[in-house]
Amino acid sequence: NAGVIQTPRHKVTGKGQEATLWCEPISGHSAVFWYRQTIVQGLEFLTYFRNQAPIDDSGMPKERFSAQMPNQSHSTLKIQSTQPQDSAVYLCASSRGYEQYFGPGTRLTVL
Amino acid sequence: GDQVEQSPSALSLHEGTGSALRCNFTTTMRAVQWFQQNSRGSLINLFYLASGTKENGRLKSTFNSKESYSTLHIRDAQLEDSGTYFCAAEATASSFSKLVFGQGTSLSVVP
Repeated sequence: NAGVIQTPRHKVTGKGQEATLWCEPISGHSAVFWYRQTIVQGLEFLTYFRNQAPIDDSGMPKERFSAQMPNQSHSTLKIQSTQPQDSAVYLCASSRGYEQYFGPGTRLTVL
Repeated sequence: GDQVEQSPSALSLHEGTGSALRCNFTTTMRAVQWFQQNSRGSLINLFYLASGTKENGRLKSTFNSKESYSTLHIRDAQLEDSGTYFCAAEATASSFSKLVFGQGTSLSVVP
């Protein structure tokens, strides 16, 4: 069991560019969660999917952020027109009902 | 508003000693998870509790849902226990629920 896989581990973008982050959940887990970690805000929930359907996106910024789960083996988080304040570690977690297991995160730096 | 209050924010322990971390919840929580974030940034699962007490080696955790708190006890601290510890709670009754994180406790174990 490889655990939750996130790619890339590091991404540097220029202001205004697009960033796409990938997450592969643990096989057999039906829920995928996205969180963001910054020094100021700590760990914050963004959105989650269950059986590929979006369930709760209450933590997602209303503009520029979107997430998809086109199949059970991966989810993407896309940030359009990135801004310096989007710099953070983006964490993906998966679950089959209760305990959540986290990937190593993608460190996004927007210059 | 803030739902998870974690204390202390920082803690220094000599090897072989112990202490307790605490999370207070401002609303009723269904379950709690405890994580250790290591130097590479990975969140390592320590405990998942819906009630009661669990023990694993030198770590013990308790979740009291009625009194809205959880604790993590560390005994006989070792250098490798250094890192940041987070509690995270599930607020809803659903088996799938976003986690609300505390602000973390930075633990430093010194010789």
